[in-house]
Amino acid sequence: GNSVTQMEGPVTLSEEAFLTINCTYTATGYPSLFWYVQYPGEGLQLLLKATKADDKGSNKGFEATYRKETTSFHLEKGSVQVSDSAVYFCARISNDYKLSFGAGTTVTVRA
Amino acid sequence: GAVVSQHPSRVICKSGTSVKIECRSLDFQATTMFWYRQFPKQSLMLMATSNEGSKATYEQGVEKDKFLINHASLTLSTLTVTSAHPEDSSFYICSARDRQGGGYTFGSGTRLTVV
Repeated sequence: GNSVTQMEGPVTLSEEAFLTINCTYTATGYPSLFWYVQYPGEGLQLLLKATKADDKGSNKGFEATYRKETTSFHLEKGSVQVSDSAVYFCARISNDYKLSFGAGTTVTVRA
Repeated sequence: GAVVSQHPSRVICKSGTSVKIECRSLDFQATTMFWYRQFPKQSLMLMATSNEGSKATYEQGVEKDKFLINHASLTLSTLTVTSAHPEDSSFYICSARDRQGGGYTFGSGTRLTVV
């Protein structure tokens, strides 16, 4: 089936630490992949995306590379800030244009 | 950028009453709108997909008579929770797919509490 498996949290880091959130997917073909961020009490915001193999999405210091060999789309940031505290969702798009989300990873960055 | 307005952001209602949530694309036409439900500390669960002018398609296990979806125009979709019960309390989020660019934009969510 089509699904997204995401590293479970919660993750707690100090400011300026390196962040990685693992995400793998199952699919037929090469679906577009996304990372969304949700701040407390809000909806989702698109953080970055990649539409084909080897694409690298980047935004606000976050990066993720579409790896077809490992069917992965891991999210990384080299130096996190307190303002990065949020819930992060990995997602993929299905043939009928529906988004499938991972379970979400709560990230807390401490000053 | 694309903006989706969802309101109300919070609503408290009594058991047995109905609540309507609106989702409006402000600066683009939405081919398709999606309605999600999110329980605390959990992921988004797709409830239904609606296309303008046609009936919504509901995911398995979602009661279509309880969660009424209307998508009357390319910029507006509504979700009505009928005869609400406390177990319907949740965070409801809509998403709109841009007719031209194909991107997805999410509303800010509605926190429903049924007492």
